[in-house]
Amino acid sequence: DGGITQSPKYLFRKEGQNVTLSCEQNLNHDAMYWYRQDPGQGLRLIYYSQIVNDFQKGDIAEGYSVSREKKESFPLTVTSAQKNPTAFYLCASNQGKAEAFFGQGTRLTVV
Amino acid sequence: QKEVEQDPGPLSVPEGAIVSLNCTYSNSAFQYFMWYRQYSRKGPELLMYTYSSGNKEDGRFTAQVDKSSKYISLFIRDSQPSDSATYLCATLKAAGNKLTFGGGTRVLVKP
Repeated sequence: DGGITQSPKYLFRKEGQNVTLSCEQNLNHDAMYWYRQDPGQGLRLIYYSQIVNDFQKGDIAEGYSVSREKKESFPLTVTSAQKNPTAFYLCASNQGKAEAFFGQGTRLTVV
Repeated sequence: QKEVEQDPGPLSVPEGAIVSLNCTYSNSAFQYFMWYRQYSRKGPELLMYTYSSGNKEDGRFTAQVDKSSKYISLFIRDSQPSDSATYLCATLKAAGNKLTFGGGTRVLVKP
């Protein structure tokens, strides 16, 4: 089955620690996105990539980093510079003007 | 000002009522419009996709686009408690494939 897989589903981070969220898609989509969602809030764009080896900052990129070395993979690193990382993180992909498909999300909590 | 505005709600309706949701956008470059439904702690799923002014119907759902007013709507007829979710509008420009989301409207359908 084609789709987007995010892992892990739940992630706990200690203060000052970097953590990496995984996003893998087998839809052969060129574009991939990372969004952050806070409780009761909408989606805010962190980073997006329209093609392999290229990515652009979204609206709230500070404290995050990404890479796009392979078409199917777009990992997100939440660095220690992100002061309020507790949130629900969603990965999505799309191709051209077609609709975006989402993963099931990773819930990150700072402990 | 955000490029896509959406009332956060919550919008509470009795079962069987019509749910009316809308988004406004500021950039006339947006040409493609989508509605997503998101259940709590899940990834959003596509409900409707339109790229022209007018109405599009799918079962109990009707999407309406008015490009002259930069206004998009989603109507849900005969609402059910299972329709309780957050509804997100999303847009795409004619050039490029970066999605822009509204903040989402939380809907509660009471039995």
